[in-house]
Amino acid sequence: AQKITQTQPGMFVQEKEAVTLDCTYDTSDQSYGLFWYKQPSSGEMIFLIYQGSYDEQNATEGRYSLNFQKARKSANLVISASQLGDSAMYFCAMRLNTGGFKTIFGAGTRLFVKA
Amino acid sequence: DVKVTQSSRYLVKRTGEKVFLECVQDMDHENMFWYRQDPGLGLRLIYFSYDVKMKEKGDIPEGYSVSREKKERFSLILESASTNQTSMYLCASSLSGAFYEQYFGPGTRLTVT
Repeated sequence: AQKITQTQPGMFVQEKEAVTLDCTYDTSDQSYGLFWYKQPSSGEMIFLIYQGSYDEQNATEGRYSLNFQKARKSANLVISASQLGDSAMYFCAMRLNTGGFKTIFGAGTRLFVKA
Repeated sequence: DVKVTQSSRYLVKRTGEKVFLECVQDMDHENMFWYRQDPGLGLRLIYFSYDVKMKEKGDIPEGYSVSREKKERFSLILESASTNQTSMYLCASSLSGAFYEQYFGPGTRLTVT
């Protein structure tokens, strides 16, 4: 069965420092996509970054990078130079390339950025 | 700009009522999804659809059904609402393929009393 695990319910980081949010996944599929989304207190879901299972390079989008270790089945999100506006819930998700493109999420990590 | 809209932001229903939650997207996306979001549990997939009239069970389909008669509309139905279905319900849509991100609606907070 497919599963996403986020083991950090809450994290604190000092403003301007980097932070890593952990995500491990489980699937027997070879082709899949990994995503991170941000959910601020306003509730909307904001797509941050994507990594394909066949991509050899780690994805980057501005201050966000995805540390993809396929053998360990991990897809950690790194936020560099944290800002107060980064305080939010962060969800890791996996999308399969078969079976109707099922997409599942982890339980999320709440990030608090301290001034 | 992709738009996913949900019929209500807040809904209060009584136990045993039949509840319809509607989701509409305007970007011709093939895939649509229904999740419920509960504190500490993240987003859990209820049902998804990869084409008109096609549906697949997610991880927690019990007590729910869905309908997709038109490509842009995906409805979630609670046949007989129960208090344990009190939750935030999120609808999402996307293009087909593992490479595409999902676009989410604003959510419906359903309270069943």
